[in-house]
Amino acid sequence: GDSVTQMEGPVTLSEEAFLTINCTYTATGYPSLFWYVQYPGEGLQLLLKATKADDKGSNKGFEATYRKETTSFHLEKGSVQVSDSAVYFCALTLNTGGFKTIFGAGTRLFVKA
Amino acid sequence: GAGVSQSPSNKVTEKGKDVELRCDPISGHTALYWYRQSLGQGLEFLIYFQGNSAPDKSGLPSDRFSAERTGGSVSTLTIQRTQQEDSAVYLCASSPRQGGQPQHFGDGTRLSIL
Repeated sequence: GDSVTQMEGPVTLSEEAFLTINCTYTATGYPSLFWYVQYPGEGLQLLLKATKADDKGSNKGFEATYRKETTSFHLEKGSVQVSDSAVYFCALTLNTGGFKTIFGAGTRLFVKA
Repeated sequence: GAGVSQSPSNKVTEKGKDVELRCDPISGHTALYWYRQSLGQGLEFLIYFQGNSAPDKSGLPSDRFSAERTGGSVSTLTIQRTQQEDSAVYLCASSPRQGGQPQHFGDGTRLSIL
């Protein structure tokens, strides 16, 4: 079935380190891909998205490229800050008559000063 | 308020009781989603409403679960004869247009079944 798999956390980095959070998916058809973020004490919010192959989504210094050949949508940031500490969720939306969005399990990121 | 509002924020109830969870989406948002998040798990899709179309109920885990959306706005998720495995955070989200991914999430209702 359709699913999203992302790397287990927690991921602990020092400030200004490079971040990669891996995400791969399985889907019939051509999904749109998303990253959501949940900061401590806050609700989930959309971080970035890509709707077709080779698209790059970007926001707040984060980037992810829709790779159809590897069915991946890895999240990257060149220099993390303490304020980036949060849980990150990879997700896909299937446009097959309905618009079900399927989420991964989430990856918790801790950034140390 | 400006965001998605859910109530109650916390609910503790005994096994076998019925519970109702409420979601007020952002005004004008036509799409509304319910998800649940169990401890250490990702978000599990439950149900999706879009305007006046028939809802996508494919994620509801059993016939004890049902949801309504009245007047295209407020939604109620009802769980009958609750079981301990129903304990989770139930999240509601809305989106301004058809076919859009959930954009704005509420803070959720934390449901605990004793």
